[in-house]
Amino acid sequence: LAKTTQPISMDSYEGQEVNITCSHNNIATNDYITWYQQFPSQGPRFIIQGYKTKVTNEVASLFIPADRKSSTLSLPRVSLSDTAVYYCLVGGLSGAGSYQLTFGKGTKLSVIP
Amino acid sequence: IAGITQAPTSQILAAGRRMTLRCTQDMRHNAMYWYRQDLGLGLRLIHYSNTAGTTGKGEVPDGYSVSRANTDDFPLTLASAVPSQTSVYFCASSEGAEAFFGQGTRLTVV
Repeated sequence: LAKTTQPISMDSYEGQEVNITCSHNNIATNDYITWYQQFPSQGPRFIIQGYKTKVTNEVASLFIPADRKSSTLSLPRVSLSDTAVYYCLVGGLSGAGSYQLTFGKGTKLSVIP
Repeated sequence: IAGITQAPTSQILAAGRRMTLRCTQDMRHNAMYWYRQDLGLGLRLIHYSNTAGTTGKGEVPDGYSVSRANTDDFPLTLASAVPSQTSVYFCASSEGAEAFFGQGTRLTVV
């Protein structure tokens, strides 16, 4: 399983764009990059997934360079409700057909008024 | 739509006692997972199941057992609880890379 490295914490003011970068130097060819969000006292929630280039949904964008050794989660115009821990996961289908979901320690994002 | 249901929500357990944490999903997902989350350590995988009838060990399986008799249920059992098993336990299921998590069970072993 590819190991991921991301900042332990980040602060941002409301209304700003936040970019959280994750390093995954030994990502495998069949690995996808997935980001989850976790609020206090809740289970993690899927945000976005990508394989290469750029993926965008209603919540965030995910930028993946050509070498795929890193990825950046971009949250546009954050609000106080975006204060949470964000996890970067890298993995692919196991031989038995399930994804390997290995969480690191995540990045604690604090949005300041 | 319930998604993932965990029970109990919280529990205080005497050391040495046996405890089963329940997890039920209604999405017919093949894969299910149990994680524990301790302060500052993120989520660590305890056991997983790729499909009914199969289970596998995760990162921290010692002291825990699981079974997967059918698609919907994935109970986690602590045979003889110890204080180091005090944690928040999350169950999840997935079909593909998007996993759905329960609300967690806060377990305190005293």
